[in-house]
Amino acid sequence: AQSVTQLGSHVSVSEGALVLLRCNYSSSVPPYLFWYVQYPNQGLQLLLKYTTGATLVKGINGFEAEFKKSETSFHLTKPSAHMSDAAEYFCAVSLSGGGADGLTFGKGTHLIIQP
Amino acid sequence: DTGVSQDPRHKITKRGQNVTFRCDPISEHNRLYWYRQTLGQGPEFLTYFQNEAQLEKSRLLSDRFSAERPKGSFSTLEIQRTEQGDSAMYLCASSLALWGNNEQFFGPGTRLTVL
Repeated sequence: AQSVTQLGSHVSVSEGALVLLRCNYSSSVPPYLFWYVQYPNQGLQLLLKYTTGATLVKGINGFEAEFKKSETSFHLTKPSAHMSDAAEYFCAVSLSGGGADGLTFGKGTHLIIQP
Repeated sequence: DTGVSQDPRHKITKRGQNVTFRCDPISEHNRLYWYRQTLGQGPEFLTYFQNEAQLEKSRLLSDRFSAERPKGSFSTLEIQRTEQGDSAMYLCASSLALWGNNEQFFGPGTRLTVL
């Protein structure tokens, strides 16, 4: 069975500062990894995903994440935070490359942007 | 393409009543997933369909939960004899079954409150 751990239920950064949201996973097979963002009263939106190939993945809104197999990590970063980045962020793992299973999510990290 | 839609957006019911939620996936998507999200947690996978076939249902929370997708288009999730612990956000997602494509698109959710 797979699992996802997101360190820090709340992360606060100043506008313009580096954003780092941590995600570690456990999986018995090579995983497929995702970051989703959830704004209040909205559905989950995919930020980026890792399937195979390049381990540094770029997503929307200036976010990127790096898959590190040796560390079983998939941390999300953004060089410069914007007020509009304030939201809930979820890391998720799938064992299927074709979507033939449900995603396993972490508990989420609430990102707070200080002006 | 109007995205994944869910109806109703909010449902308040009394304990012991039955409730049914509807999900309309993106039109060309043949996979449909249901998740439950409780406060402060990430979404929890419940079940999924490929076309009209329910390929995974062991993760449904109890025998009070059931889901259908009779014509391979929209789906319904029913909870019988609701309990206060069923209060949560119920999310639907859809995807196109292609190898290498495991991106799930989420709807806005139905928030259930059981009094």
